[in-house]
Amino acid sequence: EADIYQTPRYLVIGTGKKITLECSQTMGHDKMYWYQQDPGMELHLIHYSYGVNSTEKGDLSSESTVSRIRTEHFPLTLESARPSHTSQYLCASIEGTMKAFFGQGTRLTVV
Amino acid sequence: GENVEQHPSTLSVQEGDSAVIKCTYSDSASNYFPWYKQELGKRPQLIIDIRSNVGEKKDQRIAVTLNKTAKHFSLHITETQPEDSAVYFCAASRDWNTGFQKLVFGTGTRLLVSP
Repeated sequence: EADIYQTPRYLVIGTGKKITLECSQTMGHDKMYWYQQDPGMELHLIHYSYGVNSTEKGDLSSESTVSRIRTEHFPLTLESARPSHTSQYLCASIEGTMKAFFGQGTRLTVV
Repeated sequence: GENVEQHPSTLSVQEGDSAVIKCTYSDSASNYFPWYKQELGKRPQLIIDIRSNVGEKKDQRIAVTLNKTAKHFSLHITETQPEDSAVYFCAASRDWNTGFQKLVFGTGTRLLVSP
């Protein structure tokens, strides 16, 4: 079934560790986005991609980086995690008509 | 860039009442306005959307209205039910054929429907 998958769902790591959050979609969409969701709800766009080898920073400053080597894969990397990175990270795959499909999210806690 | 404001941040209604959530946007070139529902612990899901060539769209108990001149759009839920309780997000974007698209979300409205 065509869907968008994020792993891991939950992650607790120590300060200073390097982590990669995985996002894969089987819908063949070119556009993919990463959002950071506060505990209080708000969705902040941190990275987006229009296709392979295309990546842009979003509106919220983020110390993370992304890559888009394959259409279906859009991983997000934190080189050195800090407690301020504790949040939920949502990946979205965007249909040509701009309809967004979200993954289940990764809830990250940095201790 | 686009900025989307959403009000109210929380809304409590009795079952059967109507609920209205309002959003304003800043980019006059935006022409696609979706609404997403996020239930507790789940991912946001599209419930209805509207493009700038129409002023209103309905789908059973939910409707969205758009005023392009004033740059605001609203979600209307009639005959609310407890299962409507969730966080609702509006969003705005330029459409697929403009070559420049970022889907920017409002701050969210937590709707609580009491039995």
